[in-house]
This record gives sequence, C-alpha cells and structure tokens, in this order.
Amino acid sequence: DVKVTQSSRYLVKRTGEKVFLECVQDMDHENMFWYRQDPGLGLRLIYFSYDVKMKEKGDIPEGYSVSREKKERFSLILESASTNQTSMYLCASKTTSASQNGEQFFGPGTRLTVL
Amino acid sequence: AQSVTQLGSHVSVSEGALVLLRCNYSSSVPPYLFWYVQYPNQGLQLLLKYTTGATLVKGINGFEAEFKKSETSFHLTKPSAHMSDAAEYFCAVSDPGNQFYFGTGTSLTVIP
Repeated sequence: DVKVTQSSRYLVKRTGEKVFLECVQDMDHENMFWYRQDPGLGLRLIYFSYDVKMKEKGDIPEGYSVSREKKERFSLILESASTNQTSMYLCASKTTSASQNGEQFFGPGTRLTVL
Repeated sequence: AQSVTQLGSHVSVSEGALVLLRCNYSSSVPPYLFWYVQYPNQGLQLLLKYTTGATLVKGINGFEAEFKKSETSFHLTKPSAHMSDAAEYFCAVSDPGNQFYFGTGTSLTVIP
C-alpha cells in the first residue's frame, strides 16, 4: 500500500512565523503535490514537483515555497505565516507510470491555524 | 484548463435512500475521472476511477459511477445510503498532461 505521511495533523503558529510542513511518501513516486483545502473552494494546488529539485507553481503559490531535496520528501514552507493561510493542507503523490492511471494518493492532512 | 463542476455543495438523503452526487467536466479529450471521499479530519481516499473500457465503474463501499461522454458527466451513485457514508465527496479529472482538477466538493448528510 502507498503511504503518504505528513509531519503534523494539527499545527498552531503565530503571524510572521516561518512554518514547515513535511510530507513523505514510501512508493518511489516521481510526482508530489501540495494543496490547500478551504470550505466551498475545494482543493487548490499550491505547488507540485515532478522530480527531485524540480518544482512548478500551481494555482495559488503566493506566500509559499517548496523544497524537494529527496525523492520521497516534499516540504511546504510558509516564509511568514499570515492569518489567511489558516487552512487544511494536503499532500499527495503520484507515479508517472501508466500502471496507476494518474491516481493521486493523499496524506491525512495538516490543519494549520495561524493566530 | 479543465473545469469540474459538482452540482450541490450539500446533499441530504435518508438512510436507505438512493445517493446521487453529480459531476460534470469540460474536456474535448477523454480524461481520467475519479471520485474521492474525505471523512472528517482525514485525507482523501479513492472511491473509484474511470480510465478506459467499461463506462460503468464500481468502487468501494457499494458506490459506482457512469462515464457519459456525450454528457461530459461522471455521476456517483449508491443504491442505499448508510450512516457511514456521511462525508465530503470530490470529483476529479486528470488530463493527458497529468494535471489534476478537482471539483469544489459535495458534503453528504445521511438522515437516520
């Protein structure tokens, strides 16, 4: 079974703090994604990575950065957290292989509150 | 870019009644189609997916969905709702470029 883990389930930070959200997958997937989920807006793509050290902006990259130094790990960084970044953050991974037909596998999510 | 529309952000059904969650997408190229379920404070779990072949797809927990190309739809159904089906459901489309597009979700409430 593919397993995607996220470092924290719940996180409370203060405005202006630097925040790191970590995601690790154990299935050697090439592609990894960070989404944020807000009521009524569904999932919105922040950044994705299709290979080590590679990153692409998604739909809402402002205020975020990412790091992928190892294939299994994809980090989301909030350089200076703001209250409007309070949200649920979901990490996902996907293989490039056609064997899984594009399915994304999700982690349990991190609910971040910025005070 | 593709778009995915889920009609009804909230749907309520009685226990034992039919569940119908609607999903329409915009695509000129046959995409991959997915339904995910999210239980409270959890990540998304795949319910079912359509890639090629039979247009009626069966998934976990008794759910199924039918791909209708002419209607660009992929509605999710379950003949008889159970209390444990209460959750948020997301329809998603993956295009040949592997970009994923999600609908805004439908929250299903099951009334005892």
